[in-house]
Amino acid sequence: DAGVIQSPRHEVTEMGQEVTLRCKPISGHDYLFWYRQTMMRGLELLIYFNNNVPIDDSGMPEDRFSAKMPNASFSTLKIQPSEPRDSAVYFCASSTLAGVYNEQFFGPGTRLTVL
Amino acid sequence: AQSVAQPEDQVNVAEGNPLTVKCTYSVSGNPYLFWYVQYPNRGLQFLLKYITGDNLVKGSYGFEAEFNKSQTSFHLKKPSALVSDSALYFCAVRDGSGQNFVFGPGTRLSVLP
Repeated sequence: DAGVIQSPRHEVTEMGQEVTLRCKPISGHDYLFWYRQTMMRGLELLIYFNNNVPIDDSGMPEDRFSAKMPNASFSTLKIQPSEPRDSAVYFCASSTLAGVYNEQFFGPGTRLTVL
Repeated sequence: AQSVAQPEDQVNVAEGNPLTVKCTYSVSGNPYLFWYVQYPNRGLQFLLKYITGDNLVKGSYGFEAEFNKSQTSFHLKKPSALVSDSALYFCAVRDGSGQNFVFGPGTRLSVLP
């Protein structure tokens, strides 16, 4: 199993540009999570999906952020327009409903730098 | 709402000595507790979890954790630290009603040769 796949691994963009981060969860996993990690705020849950449906998006910081999961094998996190304070490492994680208390599996992250 | 505290930002230990990374939690209902490790420029990796049963849980790379309900703690331990254990460690809690995790702020472990 390839694990959770994220792309790109690094993204450098200018303020005001649109940024799209991509995630492929582990096959068969029912849940997908997007996190943001910064030195100041630590690891924050942004949104999570169950069977492609957004369940809790209360962590999404602003309307500039949006996330979609069009099918079980793909999700995107979009920031439009981007701002320097969005600079962070964004992680995607997935888990399975089978065994409700199973751990989450994390991708390698996307390091976003907004200039 | 559930919460997790890791009271130490940094823990330093000499190689070969035992290590402890502390975690306390607050949750309504039964706690489901996890430890993750993050190496530089990598995603979080699962180490171990407590769901029910024995209070001492054994996990990957020789780590173990002790669940203490009365003290609401779930400290991570290892009898003999390795330099390669140096990393960022996260404690997380998940309550019985929710599907999401709440992560602690992380503790940076440095094992000195």
